[in-house]
Amino acid sequence: EVQLVESGGGLVQPGGSLRLSCAASGFTFSTHWMHWVRQVPGKGLVWVSRVNSDESTTNYADSVKGRFTISRDNAKNTLYLQMNSLRAEDTAVYYCAKDRVAGSGSLDCWGQGTLVTVSS
Amino acid sequence: QSALTQPASVSGSPGQSITISCTGTSSDVGGYNYVSWFQQHPGKAPKLIIYAVSNRPSGISDRFSGSKSDNTASLTISGLQTEDEADYYCSSYTGSGTNTVVFGGGTKLTVL
Repeated sequence: EVQLVESGGGLVQPGGSLRLSCAASGFTFSTHWMHWVRQVPGKGLVWVSRVNSDESTTNYADSVKGRFTISRDNAKNTLYLQMNSLRAEDTAVYYCAKDRVAGSGSLDCWGQGTLVTVSS
Repeated sequence: QSALTQPASVSGSPGQSITISCTGTSSDVGGYNYVSWFQQHPGKAPKLIIYAVSNRPSGISDRFSGSKSDNTASLTISGLQTEDEADYYCSSYTGSGTNTVVFGGGTKLTVL
């Protein structure tokens, strides 16, 4: 069974940092593009970042560029999102997702999400 | 990175068909055949129902179909069922140097 499990969310003060993890199983992680998508509870989906299979290509939404870093450890089947200089507007549920078509956004498997709350 | 435009809500009766539109630009929807549609029930993660404009993943009912014309993509759900009531989001790959993905604002489908 294809599965993604996020962890690392929690409460952090503005300006603080947090690292999210996404453990993958049930598929060949090292061959797939992976994404992070966020959603403020009750609001819509917002794309955050993507990384290709060997981490040679990474892309970010303008709203997080320079503050967030996506990475992966193919030996551990794990995707990461390092979030620095966090702002209140970064508060959201963060989902990791697997892409079935080479970074296109065809996200065919999603984790359950992890809630990040940025507040003093 | 402007969001794609979707109607906020649509509704239909069981057995009817509905169509949800998703309007972008020539830099996203119109420029690439990488439009996806997702279904999200309350409290659940999104689920892919259409990818690459008109392809259904394994296990997705053929009541769901996708299409695209110029800068507008469409999701049609035929034979509406009560369990189809959910939020629906479109997304598209965006090129033109940005190489990102953009989502629509979402459409709430109510099955009356």
